[in-house]
Amino acid sequence: AQTVTQSQPEMSVQEAETVTLSCTYDTSESDYYLFWYKQPPSRQMILVIRQEAYKQQNATENRFSVNFQKAAKSFSLKISDSQLGDAAMYFCAYKRNTGNQFYFGTGTSLTVIP
Amino acid sequence: DTAVSQTPKYLVTQMGNDKSIKCEQNLGHDTMYWYKQDSKKFLKIMFSYNNKELIINETVPNRFSPKSPDKAHLNLHINSLELGDSAVYFCASSQESRTEAFFGQGTRLTVV
Repeated sequence: AQTVTQSQPEMSVQEAETVTLSCTYDTSESDYYLFWYKQPPSRQMILVIRQEAYKQQNATENRFSVNFQKAAKSFSLKISDSQLGDAAMYFCAYKRNTGNQFYFGTGTSLTVIP
Repeated sequence: DTAVSQTPKYLVTQMGNDKSIKCEQNLGHDTMYWYKQDSKKFLKIMFSYNNKELIINETVPNRFSPKSPDKAHLNLHINSLELGDSAVYFCASSQESRTEAFFGQGTRLTVV
């Protein structure tokens, strides 16, 4: 079974600084999808960014970018110019190209220090 | 328009009661899910339905039963509620291949 590991239960960052959240996954598939979800205190699960494994280019969404290392099975999230509103729980997730099952990591709680 | 909506948002009930949480999606997705998020924020898949067929059923007690009257709805029924059932329950939907899961706003269930 696929597993997703987030080795940082908690992280903190100064406002306006940059922080990187780590995620590794285990799979024997060559085609799959990776996601980062944000869960603020409101508890709504919000998609931050998505990466298709067949794309070599790292996905970017405004201040959020990923470092996708397919051979290393690593998918880290970089948040630039951190804002107070970025404080949340962040979940890394994996999905195979076929089928509908998502695998979530255990989450990283991000604190933004004013 | 809300893409995935679940009701109620909060549910407080006594042990032994039976309760239901409703979920509806207007995205035309073919798969819907129920996740349980415990106090440590771990997300655990409970069920998923694809075209009215149960395709995932993790080690969930028989007291939990999903009901899908149609492709747009997946309700969760819980019988004989226990203290350990207290958690946040999320409904989600997706389309096979190439899309993310869209989540409802969650239902915080508290069993007293």
